Amino acid sequence: DIQMTQSPSSVSASVGDRVTITCRASQGVSSWLAWYQQKPGKAPKLLIYAASNLQSGVPSRFSGSGSGTDFTLTISSLQPEDFATYYCQQATSFPRTFGQGTKLEIK
Amino acid sequence: EVQLVESGGGLVKPGGSLRLSCAASGFTFSSYSMNWVRQAPGKGLEWVSSISGSSSYIYYADSGKGRFTISRDNAKKSLYLQMSSLRAEDTAVYYCTRDHSGSYGSIDFWGQGTLVTVSS
Repeated sequence: DIQMTQSPSSVSASVGDRVTITCRASQGVSSWLAWYQQKPGKAPKLLIYAASNLQSGVPSRFSGSGSGTDFTLTISSLQPEDFATYYCQQATSFPRTFGQGTKLEIK
Repeated sequence: EVQLVESGGGLVKPGGSLRLSCAASGFTFSSYSMNWVRQAPGKGLEWVSSISGSSSYIYYADSGKGRFTISRDNAKKSLYLQMSSLRAEDTAVYYCTRDHSGSYGSIDFWGQGTLVTVSS
């Protein structure tokens, strides 16, 4: 199975900050990687697919990059509604696996 | 508008069975692979099972292999998860999800989830 490891597990930041979350795969997944945002009590929401493609309706302050084993999600200027938990997920093979999550908190 | 509405969750005793259902609308159901993803209380996301549009391809996580059965009825636009020999560690919110139309393996729509609690 492909293990997905996110870092950091949690991060504190302020409105307007630039934040980067990383995701590392235990083996190459090409560009088959997705990022999701989840708020408490809600279903996850797709932000980025195929490593760098912005899902329709997602603000352009979100961006993704990487290929192979190392990926990043960047939020260019944090907004109050961005405080949530973020997950990466590899989509190259079964079993599909998620990272453990990164909780983004208000500083 | 794409909608996925789960039902069938509830409280069940260890060793018991439960069948989850997901009613889909707003898209051509038979054209999409579908999945179940779960989330234990306070924990992260765990993929459970996937089924292709024609049911030709079915995959399970090791945690559910031999105990869970995924199926679909394209005429009824419905997805199912039959769960048996349930354990306390199966306690979770179960989400019905749709594979992204343009990117294999990503999930572009999620239902609201249905809570399964396994406890005596």
